[in-house]
Amino acid sequence: DAGVTQSPTHLIKTRGQHVTLRCSPISGHKSVSWYQQVLGQGPQFIFQYYEKEERGRGNFPDRFSARQFPNYSSELNVNALLLGDSALYLCASSHGGGISTDTQYFGPGTRLTVL
Amino acid sequence: QKEVEQDPGPLSVPEGAIVSLNCTYSNSAFQYFMWYRQYSRKGPELLMYTYSSGNKEDGRFTAQVDKSSKYISLFIRDSQPSDSATYLCAMIKSGNNRKLIWGLGTSLAVNP
Repeated sequence: DAGVTQSPTHLIKTRGQHVTLRCSPISGHKSVSWYQQVLGQGPQFIFQYYEKEERGRGNFPDRFSARQFPNYSSELNVNALLLGDSALYLCASSHGGGISTDTQYFGPGTRLTVL
Repeated sequence: QKEVEQDPGPLSVPEGAIVSLNCTYSNSAFQYFMWYRQYSRKGPELLMYTYSSGNKEDGRFTAQVDKSSKYISLFIRDSQPSDSATYLCAMIKSGNNRKLIWGLGTSLAVNP
């Protein structure tokens, strides 16, 4: 049974560029969350989507956007990249049906380096 | 003040030792408590999930929640070198907001 998958695994961009990160949740899961993890820190919440609608947004600038597709996969977009956007971007999926079933399972992450 | 505090370590123990990892939190609205393990350059892996106060045991791992003290712990018995990783606590508040609030993570090294 496949877990959460993310692509690409690694990415190098330069300042000012745009990036799109992709996530496929566990089969049957309807909720996807995105987190940014800077080296040596805990993950920081960026977005949560459930049934293709935004359910939550963290304290990130408007350069960060996301969407969820009918098959529940998701994309995270970051515009006008800054050096400080260099981090591991984690996608987590959950059933989303209620908090007792909302255990989040994480993908391996996409490591973004901005030069 | 951060909502969740966790000592980043690093913590170094000999193989077979009992490891105690802890987090404190400031908001009594937290109801669901998790411990994740993260190996270097990998995504976090859920280890334990508990609701409200009490203990939960799974193999060599025991999670404790003390809501009166706003304190949670993870104990690892008979620690193994393969337990060497970063351990992150995470919590969810009651209500509709499902986002996980994380500690910094504690880096653990178990030495053979």
